[in-house]
Amino acid sequence: NAGVTQTPKFQVLKTGQSMTLQCAQDMNHNSMYWYRQDPGMGLRLIYYSASEGTTDKGEVPNGYNVSRLNKREFSLRLESAAPSQTSVYFCASGEVTGNENEQFFGPGTRLTVL
Amino acid sequence: AQSVTQLGSHVSVSEGALVLLRCNYSSSVPPYLFWYVQYPNQGLQLLLKYTTGATLVKGINGFEAEFKKSETSFHLTKPSAHMSDAAEYFCAVRIYYNQGGKLIFGQGTELSVKP
Repeated sequence: NAGVTQTPKFQVLKTGQSMTLQCAQDMNHNSMYWYRQDPGMGLRLIYYSASEGTTDKGEVPNGYNVSRLNKREFSLRLESAAPSQTSVYFCASGEVTGNENEQFFGPGTRLTVL
Repeated sequence: AQSVTQLGSHVSVSEGALVLLRCNYSSSVPPYLFWYVQYPNQGLQLLLKYTTGATLVKGINGFEAEFKKSETSFHLTKPSAHMSDAAEYFCAVRIYYNQGGKLIFGQGTELSVKP
């Protein structure tokens, strides 16, 4: 099992450019998440998808859109990148039933917006 | 609203010394609490979790944490630090919302281990 995979690993954009970050999981989890990590701020939730066909905003959704393409895939789109979106982006998946609460994280995408 | 506070953004210990990383939470309902570790240039990996039952939770790599409701704390400890423990550690509390649990993370504590 590959777990959670993310592409690309690194990306440099110019202000105003758009891009899509891809995420896939092979653990048959219902829930998927996108976080950004910035120094001294921990991980902040951008968007999440509790199940296929649903998406909801997290703490910092402005400037982003998401698509839950199917149960396996959850993409994050930046329509018009800004320098403030320079960050490390993590995708995660998990189940939230009873005592099942662990989220599994991908390796991250390092994005720089110039 | 649930929240997590980690005391100390950087902690430095000598190899073989006790590791103590502090986490306090705020929650209006019984919390589910987690500690994650992040090694350089990697994603997060679960160390341990508290859901219900025993308040002393043992995790991987010799770490453990104790849930203290009266102190709203979930501090992470390891009796003897190893060089390989150098990493960033995150405490998190789960919010169960709309059939999809969300995690609220603390700011992180970077652990350095001196030889």
